[in-house]
Amino acid sequence: DARVTQTPRHKVTEMGQEVTMRCQPILGHNTVFWYRQTMMQGLELLAYFRNRAPLDDSGMPKDRFSAEMPDATLATLKIQPSEPRDSAVYFCASGPGALDNQPQHFGDGTRLSIL
Amino acid sequence: DQQVKQNSPSLSVQEGRISILNCDYTNSMFDYFLWYKKYPAEGPTFLISISSIKDKNEDGRFTVFLNKSAKHLSLHIVPSQPGDSAVYFCAAIPGTASKLTFGTGTRLQVTL
Repeated sequence: DARVTQTPRHKVTEMGQEVTMRCQPILGHNTVFWYRQTMMQGLELLAYFRNRAPLDDSGMPKDRFSAEMPDATLATLKIQPSEPRDSAVYFCASGPGALDNQPQHFGDGTRLSIL
Repeated sequence: DQQVKQNSPSLSVQEGRISILNCDYTNSMFDYFLWYKKYPAEGPTFLISISSIKDKNEDGRFTVFLNKSAKHLSLHIVPSQPGDSAVYFCAAIPGTASKLTFGTGTRLQVTL
């Protein structure tokens, strides 16, 4: 079974440090999404890409967050500098085709704790 | 502003009975709806979807109902099984855009 792979699974660091989360989408999927799960907001879309081009990052705090796709097999989400309020589970998902309503496949997430 | 709302944070149902999970939305542009299931320490997995041109979609034990006039959808699980215990997220997407908007989830506990 093809899966979205996220690394690391857990990250604990002190505030002010740079955090990089990585995602390997399912081979052949051309859309990649970054979500953040918090208790209060549920799953929030941070950014998404189609064919490696960023299409929407309006959900992402621009001053400290950045998302990129250096190549078709890697998506990254960076936080610099990190703050305690960034503590959450970050999910990457990939989608199979040009239609945006095709179900997305999620990775198992990166649990981030900023002390 | 929560455009997709799941007002019941948790639900407990006895094995074999029906589970009904509810979802309300406010954006009339939403025309495709999905349900995802999430186990602890795993990512959400797609369960079932429905287009706004339908009012019902069925897949095995899972049925999703859509009431467009009430901006309400529900997921029925019959019969409920212990393995169905998970968090269920409702999600919606407008036809011409790409943002999938999720609700805050409902934790279903199926008891023996």
